[in-house]
Amino acid sequence: NAGVTQTPKFQVLKTGQSMTLQCAQDMNHEYMSWYRQDPGMGLRLIHYSVGAGITDQGEVPNGYNVSRSTTEDFPLRLLSAAPSQTSVYFCASSSVQGVGTDTQYFGPGTRLTVL
Amino acid sequence: AQRVTQPEKLLSVFKGAPVELKCNYSYSGSPELFWYVQYSRQRLQLLLRHISRESIKGFTADLNKGETSFHLKKPFAQEEDSAMYYCALGSHGYSSASKIIFGSGTRLSIRP
Repeated sequence: NAGVTQTPKFQVLKTGQSMTLQCAQDMNHEYMSWYRQDPGMGLRLIHYSVGAGITDQGEVPNGYNVSRSTTEDFPLRLLSAAPSQTSVYFCASSSVQGVGTDTQYFGPGTRLTVL
Repeated sequence: AQRVTQPEKLLSVFKGAPVELKCNYSYSGSPELFWYVQYSRQRLQLLLRHISRESIKGFTADLNKGETSFHLKKPFAQEEDSAMYYCALGSHGYSSASKIIFGSGTRLSIRP
């Protein structure tokens, strides 16, 4: 099992550009989520999904879109990048058996810089 | 609303000294608490969860519902414990409202 994979590992964008951060998992997990990690602020939940076709907003959803068309993939879209979105982004997944209660498995992260 | 507070951004202790990383939470439902750890150049990973009541790498954490706390403790710190530690709160049950949020993290530095 590859676990949770994220691409790209690094990305530099100019203000206003759009891009999609990819996340995939091969553990058949229903629950997937996106976090951003900023110094002094820890991990903040952006969006999450409890299954294909179901998504919901987290703590800091503005400026980000998500969709969940398959169980395996949960892409995060930045429609118009802003410098405030410079951060490290983590994708995570867990089983549906105990959504909100089970171990989350994290991807390696994507370091995004917006100039 | 769910909230997790880790009051210490940095905790520095000598090797062999006791360690306590503080975590307080706010949640009206039945909470599930976790500690995650991120070692240098490694992925974030689960350290322990309150429902398991286990000790991992010498660390323990007890859920105190009266004080709404889930502090992480270790009696004798080791240099390999140096890492970033996050407390996390999950809501019980399967629904679109179920989610997991994290605290701001505490960087633990063990001095030789």
